[in-house]
Amino acid sequence: EVQLVESGGDLVQPGGSLRLSCAASGFTFSSYAMNWVRQTPGKGLEWVSVIRASGGGTYYADSVKGRFTVFRDTSMDTLYLQMNSLRAEDTAIYYCAKAGNSNWYLFDYWGQGTLVTVSS
Amino acid sequence: DIQLTQSPSFLSASVGDRVTISCRASQGIGSYLAWFQQKPGKAPNLLIYATSTLQSGVPSRFSGSGSGTEFTLTISSLQPEDFATYYCQQLNSYPPTFGQGTMVEIK
Repeated sequence: EVQLVESGGDLVQPGGSLRLSCAASGFTFSSYAMNWVRQTPGKGLEWVSVIRASGGGTYYADSVKGRFTVFRDTSMDTLYLQMNSLRAEDTAIYYCAKAGNSNWYLFDYWGQGTLVTVSS
Repeated sequence: DIQLTQSPSFLSASVGDRVTISCRASQGIGSYLAWFQQKPGKAPNLLIYATSTLQSGVPSRFSGSGSGTEFTLTISSLQPEDFATYYCQQLNSYPPTFGQGTMVEIK
């Protein structure tokens, strides 16, 4: 059974940093691209980032480019999102999502989410 | 970015009703459309991908159709567990984008 468990969400001040983790199990982690998707009541669901199976390619939404970094540790079957220069508009529930076989952006399994609040 | 517009945004229906939700893309996306169901406090759950392919384990009362810019999710006979919010998502081009959601409530 595929399981994705996020952690690391917290209350952080504007300009601060946070690292989210997503522990994966139940599938061959190194064989699949992985995504981060966030959700807010106001903006709905927003794709944040993807990292290729090999880890060699990463892509970001314009709203986070230059501030967020996605990486993975295949020895630990864990996905990470390093978030720097956080802004109030980054406040959201952050989900990690496994990519399907056929498309990086087919989100076939999701974690339960972790809440990030950016506020002074 | 490709914009997805769902209609209606809110729908009130009874158990057993046939329900249809529309998703319109701002430009053609071929068949690269997925549908998700989300219940309160839970993550979205993939129902359908490639416009009409049911994800494993999804009941056959769910179906999808369309192509290009117009897509539809149909629930043939609404069940109590189907009351939720539904989202469409395009995966044709970067960045992937979602519709604003359709909340299905019990009448």
